[in-house]
Amino acid sequence: EDQVTQSPEALRLQEGESSSLNCSYTVSGLRGLFWYRQDPGKGPEFLFTLYSAGEEKEKERLKATLTKKESFLHITAPKPEDSATYLCAVQGLSNYQLIWGAGTKLIIKP
Amino acid sequence: DAGVIQSPRHEVTEMGQEVTLRCKPISGHNSLFWYRQTMMRGLELLIYFNNNVPIDDSGMPEDRFSAKMPNASFSTLKIQPSEPRDSAVYFCASSLGLAGALQETQYFGPGTRLLVL
Repeated sequence: EDQVTQSPEALRLQEGESSSLNCSYTVSGLRGLFWYRQDPGKGPEFLFTLYSAGEEKEKERLKATLTKKESFLHITAPKPEDSATYLCAVQGLSNYQLIWGAGTKLIIKP
Repeated sequence: DAGVIQSPRHEVTEMGQEVTLRCKPISGHNSLFWYRQTMMRGLELLIYFNNNVPIDDSGMPEDRFSAKMPNASFSTLKIQPSEPRDSAVYFCASSLGLAGALQETQYFGPGTRLLVL
């Protein structure tokens, strides 16, 4: 059964304190792994898609990496505006559906 | 582009009443998804349309839920009769929906917060 697990559930950091969020997955053939950001009261906002192990993508202070079992979202020198819930989802080869993780709530304190 | 548009943004109703949620996908997108999000269950796919045709409605909780897509620019999700356990945030998302696409990014609307009293 396809499954996505995100950790930690919540993460509190000081402004400027770098860290990483984890997304572990099991899927019968990976078509794509997606990272989204969700602010309170808003819909998920697309960040990255990763297709194969070893791939990396960057956007401002965020960098996403992918292995055969997990993905990391690295946050470098975060700012308070990076506070949000970060969602991970995978799409397998045998299914069009996205399998969603429960998300990591990130809080950056000034 | 305006992005995915949903209405209403908030809906408060009483148990037993009919609720209709509306969605306008991104122009040119051929796939449309309805999701429900709760604290307990996270994001759940309810139904998926491609080229206005329902492809998979296995996520629809029960017969009280129905969805239509009469044309490429409009979809509705209806709950009749509504129950308190239907209280959640309902999202609409769209993607290009190209045949043979390896993957397609889904773009979400702002959601409708539904409270059934």
